[in-house]
Amino acid sequence: SAVISQKPSRDICQRGTSLTIQCQVDSQVTMMFWYRQQPGQSLTLIATANQGSEATYESGFVIDKFPISRPNLTFSTLTVSNMSPEDSSIYLCSVGDRAMQNSGNTIYFGEGSWLTVV
Amino acid sequence: GEDVEQSLFLSVREGDSSVINCTYTDSSSTYLYWYKQEPGAGLQLLTYIFSNMDMKQDQRLTVLLNKKDKHLSLRIADTQTGDSAIYFCAEIKYVTDKLIFGTGTRLQVFP
Repeated sequence: SAVISQKPSRDICQRGTSLTIQCQVDSQVTMMFWYRQQPGQSLTLIATANQGSEATYESGFVIDKFPISRPNLTFSTLTVSNMSPEDSSIYLCSVGDRAMQNSGNTIYFGEGSWLTVV
Repeated sequence: GEDVEQSLFLSVREGDSSVINCTYTDSSSTYLYWYKQEPGAGLQLLTYIFSNMDMKQDQRLTVLLNKKDKHLSLRIADTQTGDSAIYFCAEIKYVTDKLIFGTGTRLQVFP
């Protein structure tokens, strides 16, 4: 399995500011994703982080609000821009690798970054 | 549609079995997963099943898949208080490898 580290684990942010969340994996993976979990809700996919190219965003999410970088196969960042209280959520990085496909194409998650916007 | 549905709550007595149900819509899903989320924590992968299987057992966990009805279940034998958590089922979209999550079932285990 992959070990995923996310930073920060928690933060309280001021309205109007931006915060960058980092995701580091202990091995090279083909797939990295960013999810949001609003309070009391399920997980919603924000985007697929593509190595060396622009991220692929899901409906309802845009690059200006959630810029994503993925400079290599072990690291990605998600920025939450111009935050408002509605952005208070858990943001989770997840990884998978097609090389694991025969063993379940398993997708693993980091511990999440808990953001509160005040 | 991409809805994955689960019942919201389940309450069981310690030592009994728990069965958490999930229905999904995408018949092309290749793998289906069960994740556990404890309070204040991230997601822990519990188990998964390939879509050509009917059943998978892993210690106290049994996953049943009815592909015809697009119904997935997770049975936890001898449920313990440490099993109290939210359980999410998820299906993986073929080719894109994106996970679509269910609404989550909150399992409460009482003594």
